Amino acid sequence: QVQLQESGPGLVKPSETLSLMCSVSGGSISSNRYYWGWIRQPPGKGLEWIGSIYYSGSTYYNPSLKSRVTMSRDTSKNQFSLKLTSLSAADTAVYYCVRDSGSSYMGFDFWGQGALVTVSS
Amino acid sequence: DIQMTQSPSSLSASVGDRVTISCRASQDIEVYLNWYQQIPGKAPKLLIYTASNLQSGVPSRFSGSGSETDFTLTISSLQPEDFATYYCQQNYRTPYTFGQGTKLEIK
Repeated sequence: QVQLQESGPGLVKPSETLSLMCSVSGGSISSNRYYWGWIRQPPGKGLEWIGSIYYSGSTYYNPSLKSRVTMSRDTSKNQFSLKLTSLSAADTAVYYCVRDSGSSYMGFDFWGQGALVTVSS
Repeated sequence: DIQMTQSPSSLSASVGDRVTISCRASQDIEVYLNWYQQIPGKAPKLLIYTASNLQSGVPSRFSGSGSETDFTLTISSLQPEDFATYYCQQNYRTPYTFGQGTKLEIK
């Protein structure tokens, strides 16, 4: 069974950069069958896809965030990460890492438990 | 971006009821539509992929249908654990987008 676990700071100051890590167990991020992604959910609101990264390192970002987002992966540690710059209060959300089935069109089938990130001075 | 619109936004129903939630896409997305269930404080859970395929381990009372722009999630007989928020999501084209959610509450 694939498991994902987010880690990172719970509180970040405005204008700073958020760095989150997702550790994957029970499956390899080096598999060419899947992408690995990030989705966020502001408190009491809906879901927003941030982007996904393929085993090759190719990335796909939401244009609404593209100028501020960088995703990378460390295959030796089976982890992938998210950096989001120039934070504002609007970036306060629960951040989920997910397995993205990509071109098999089977949805986001595994999710981390989520990490609440609050942007506040 | 492809806009996803769910209806209703909220719904009250009783245990044993049959419930239908609709999702409309702003353009043809063929069958590339998924449904998720989110219980408060938990991560969303995939229920249905490519419009009508039941994810492994999901009870058969859940079903999905539709194509092009109009899709439906049906719960044939509501159970207490089904009271949650449901989201549709298109993966036809990036950026992947979600509906605003339908909150299913106990009557």
